[in-house]
Amino acid sequence: DADVTQTPRNRITKTGKRIMLECSQTKGHDRMYWYRQDPGLGLRLIYYSFDVKDINKGEISDGYSVSRQAQAKFSLSLESAIPNQTALYFCATSGRGTSTDTQYFGPGTRLTVL
Amino acid sequence: GNSVTQMEGPVTLSEEAFLTINCTYTATGYPSLFWYVQYPGEGLQLLLKATKADDKGSNKGFEATYRKETTSFHLEKGSVQVSDSAVYFCALIPRHSGYSTLTFGKGTMLLVSP
Repeated sequence: DADVTQTPRNRITKTGKRIMLECSQTKGHDRMYWYRQDPGLGLRLIYYSFDVKDINKGEISDGYSVSRQAQAKFSLSLESAIPNQTALYFCATSGRGTSTDTQYFGPGTRLTVL
Repeated sequence: GNSVTQMEGPVTLSEEAFLTINCTYTATGYPSLFWYVQYPGEGLQLLLKATKADDKGSNKGFEATYRKETTSFHLEKGSVQVSDSAVYFCALIPRHSGYSTLTFGKGTMLLVSP
């Protein structure tokens, strides 16, 4: 079984709809991250959480919100989706430690906003 | 601020050719450096890393050396295979940061033909 899972894997929605992307991990890590990937732009950090009570904005948090329901679960919400949020979204986790932590990525959610 | 610059792709090679993907960085202090790989339809996975100057990371025939004097971390492989076709991301984490997060380059696509 995969250590980091994301649901759904693909989603097509319409402008203005509320969307939630979910991430679960079985690695026992305390740190979790949400990124979006756009062609030619690499990965950009949306939000990150270093424990259940810690939520931090990343580079591109506008239009997104997150919820850390438990150590193993970190959800990303788009309150009112817009077409330029069409992208590939990745969840990642890492363990507590030094700044050399390796991040482990989920398989991604492909979101299309029409 | 922190940033990572990679050569633009796609890089197109024949099987058994030599590969170099250039990566340079800007960061305060001495960051830890990473190469991640994304195979088609999958999430990112760590390929190799280096945590201090002159360290060499290696994995699966790939190598990269942390060059402080040129702020570079170029990825090399002596003989590529078709199965190496993927997108490669260079990334860094600042060393002495209480809330360390990865900064990625934009990625370089590698296409290897038989």
